[in-house]
Amino acid sequence: GAVVSQHPSRVICKSGTSVKIECRSLDFQATTMFWYRQFPKQSLMLMATSNEGSKATYEQGVEKDKFLINHASLTLSTLTVTSAHPEDSSFYICSARGRRQGNNSPLHFGNGTRLTVT
Amino acid sequence: QQQVKQSPQSLIVQKGGISIINCAYENTAFDYFPWYQQFPGKGPALLIAIRPDVSEKKEGRFTISFNKSAKQFSLHIMDSQPGDSATYFCAASMSGTASKLTFGTGTRLQVTL
Repeated sequence: GAVVSQHPSRVICKSGTSVKIECRSLDFQATTMFWYRQFPKQSLMLMATSNEGSKATYEQGVEKDKFLINHASLTLSTLTVTSAHPEDSSFYICSARGRRQGNNSPLHFGNGTRLTVT
Repeated sequence: QQQVKQSPQSLIVQKGGISIINCAYENTAFDYFPWYQQFPGKGPALLIAIRPDVSEKKEGRFTISFNKSAKQFSLHIMDSQPGDSATYFCAASMSGTASKLTFGTGTRLQVTL
């Protein structure tokens, strides 16, 4: 089945630094990728939708200058948390939909990245 | 505004029992309703999904019941096993929104021996 690989699985960084998270579709071309954020024991909140070759669409309340998304190829999207602060500590999860899949085809999720900002 | 409400927040079921998780939605434009299973430290994995043109879908021990008029749908796990212990999320999306899912708040299921 389709596999989405997310890297790193865990990262600890100091306040003020930037962190890049990669999301790769391993066996299909992902025209659309979604980035979610999940706080402990809470639901997944959509942060942004990333389409290959175009600018990401951010959800209301998500700072696009803080959470930079790049979807430069059909198999890779990156999320960069810039000038991270402790309140950015969270579980970030990406998901992807393939090129020839319909709008309601299953999304494939990565295994998430646990970000801790000290 | 929470568009998909999920209950209960947590659930303890004995091995072999039936686990039932309920969700209610508000937006009548939703037409795709998946359920996801998430283990600690992992991303969600699709379990089963339903569209509003059917009232029930069964895959193995997992069944979705869908009530369009009540705008409710539920997940039933038959013969629950300790390995089913996880957090379950219902979700909903609309056609044409490129699979933009709205998730429920999650249910932590614990299946005891």
